[in-house]
Amino acid sequence: GAVVSQHPSWVICKSGTSVKIECRSLDFQATTMFWYRQFPKQSLMLMATSNEGSKATYEQGVEKDKFLINHASLTLSTLTVTSAHPEDSSFYICSASRPEDTQYFGPGTRLTVL
Amino acid sequence: QQQVKQSPQSLIVQKGGISIINCAYENTAFDYFPWYQQFPGKGPALLIAIRPDVSEKKEGRFTISFNKSAKQFSLHIMDSQPGDSATYFCAATYGGATNKLIFGTGTLLAVQP
Repeated sequence: GAVVSQHPSWVICKSGTSVKIECRSLDFQATTMFWYRQFPKQSLMLMATSNEGSKATYEQGVEKDKFLINHASLTLSTLTVTSAHPEDSSFYICSASRPEDTQYFGPGTRLTVL
Repeated sequence: QQQVKQSPQSLIVQKGGISIINCAYENTAFDYFPWYQQFPGKGPALLIAIRPDVSEKKEGRFTISFNKSAKQFSLHIMDSQPGDSATYFCAATYGGATNKLIFGTGTLLAVQP
């Protein structure tokens, strides 16, 4: 149990376009979901925390207008990278948690912006 | 205050040996300390976690040692295998396991056959 999926697993887009990444908890209801980004050979950096039905809480330095997060249901959160640029190329990872339990991570989405 | 310092940055161990990775923290409010294993191109997977009310936790070949007074915790991998070669991250959080995690910088482990 406690499986988190992400879609797509990788995406290549042109500079200036928007990309949506989905994060789903497949077998449990996630009260909280987190979005991280990871550059090569670096640690995970938390971008934002989202709770179902409320606005996401962004970490300092993360542009909320650029990284739009929607947590519409207890099993789905989406991250939209708007007007993507090459510097947004990264590995984006979500995690989901339920009360009294730990965080379960998705497999990640590799974004490449040309 | 929010940092978790992890060492070493990389580690080479012979098959069958013990791999030891250390982490230190400053924030005494942290109350949950997990370790994650990450393979290239994959998301992190929870290995083992500990809370500050115990000094050691063992699950199979993986052991966490926790020193509350020193604000340090470590991961020991016994009988290391080539399949253990991965990047390991320690993390810490407060207010429960569902709160945001503060990650260490990671340790790249290579187990040589």
